[in-house]
Amino acid sequence: DAGVTQSPTHLIKTRGQQVTLRCSPKSGHDTVSWYQQALGQGPQFIFQYYEEEERQRGNFPDRFSGHQFPNYSSELNVNALLLGDSALYLCASSLVHGGTLHFGNGTRLTVT
Amino acid sequence: DAKTTQPTSMDCAEGRAANLPCNHSTISGNEYVYWYRQIHSQGPQYIIHGLKNNETNEMASLIITEDRKSSTLILPHATLRDTAVYYCIVRVAGSTDSWGKLQFGAGTQVVVTP
Repeated sequence: DAGVTQSPTHLIKTRGQQVTLRCSPKSGHDTVSWYQQALGQGPQFIFQYYEEEERQRGNFPDRFSGHQFPNYSSELNVNALLLGDSALYLCASSLVHGGTLHFGNGTRLTVT
Repeated sequence: DAKTTQPTSMDCAEGRAANLPCNHSTISGNEYVYWYRQIHSQGPQYIIHGLKNNETNEMASLIITEDRKSSTLILPHATLRDTAVYYCIVRVAGSTDSWGKLQFGAGTQVVVTP
């Protein structure tokens, strides 16, 4: 049973560009959340998707957007990249009605 | 969600028990205590959670004080593979639209030494 999978594992982008990160939830899970983890800090919640809608959002600008597909997979899009967007981006999945949150191993984004 | 306070770091000898404290003095009656850990270059991994009773699973034990203002995660026989950052998190159960939201602090860096 595959857990949460994320792609790509590493990515290098230039300031001002746009990036799309992808996540496949654990089998049977219907909710996907995204987190940003800067070096040396704990993960920070970006947003949560359920039934293809953004349900909850953390303190992140509109440059951060997402999408959930009918098969529950999800994308995180970041526009107009800044140097400060360099971080590990984590995807987590769960059942909307409870249960454990499972995390993927993340995508390491470097903005130069 | 209530905030938590954890020591920045702690060392533990291999084979000994590791006791990780967490303060959550503003916890509400409907908030659970969760523990996750993050091994270098991996995503956070669920360890255990509890409301008011002590809990035990194959990974660890969770001891919650009677007033619920603090808790201790116990790794009974630490191994080198337990070296990780351990996060103590409190969260409200049953909120559908925010079930995927966890408020992480800086956590405790645990180093298990031979």
